Amino acid sequence: RKEVEQDPGPFNVPEGATVAFNCTYSNSASQSFFWYRQDCRKEPKLLMSVYSSGNEDGRFTAQLNRASQYISLLIRDSKLSDSATYLCVVNPLGAGGKLIFGQGTELSVKP
Amino acid sequence: EAGVAQSPRYKIIEKRQSVAFWCNPISGHATLYWYQQILGQGPKLLIQFQNNGVVDDSQLPKDRFSAERLKGVDSTLKIQPAKLEDSAVYLCASSLAASGVRLTGELFFGEGSRLTVL
Repeated sequence: RKEVEQDPGPFNVPEGATVAFNCTYSNSASQSFFWYRQDCRKEPKLLMSVYSSGNEDGRFTAQLNRASQYISLLIRDSKLSDSATYLCVVNPLGAGGKLIFGQGTELSVKP
Repeated sequence: EAGVAQSPRYKIIEKRQSVAFWCNPISGHATLYWYQQILGQGPKLLIQFQNNGVVDDSQLPKDRFSAERLKGVDSTLKIQPAKLEDSAVYLCASSLAASGVRLTGELFFGEGSRLTVL
């Protein structure tokens, strides 16, 4: 089983749509969780952290369910500029600064 | 502030040849990472350095890959001999400290070195 698994893509949605990405992780003792964004042929960049209580940053909402080992990212009112690959990222327990990346889910927002 | 610098940006070689990639992290960043990203996949950690010491190299194919960070600043990743399956983008990333990464999750990536093995 992969350490971090994500929904297969691509997701093709119209502008203004709400879209949700899911991610599961295998190590129940994982400490911290993040979402990264990667534009086509560019490097990954941190989008947001994921907290147990859930957190929101503008149109983006991240949720964590430790019992189910499940992370989600919700994007409301999708923009053309949201088109990218979204990577679920986990920091395993005791791993220091090691980050494990999922395979990514591709989002394409159409006019 | 200058970002993470990598070179070369692109490299095409034939299988069994060797190649080396160079990375200069953000000034003052103690932790340096090399990731391999194959097309359609997420980045996979090859090696993590803290200053000039190796923290994690569990996924580095040591029969053909080697990496060093001799003075705790810039780093090189070498592949010898290359195989077809090594075709990928090699991403270097850095952070101030590993403890910070655990809290903030923020790695600063370079633009990557794209390797094609024919």
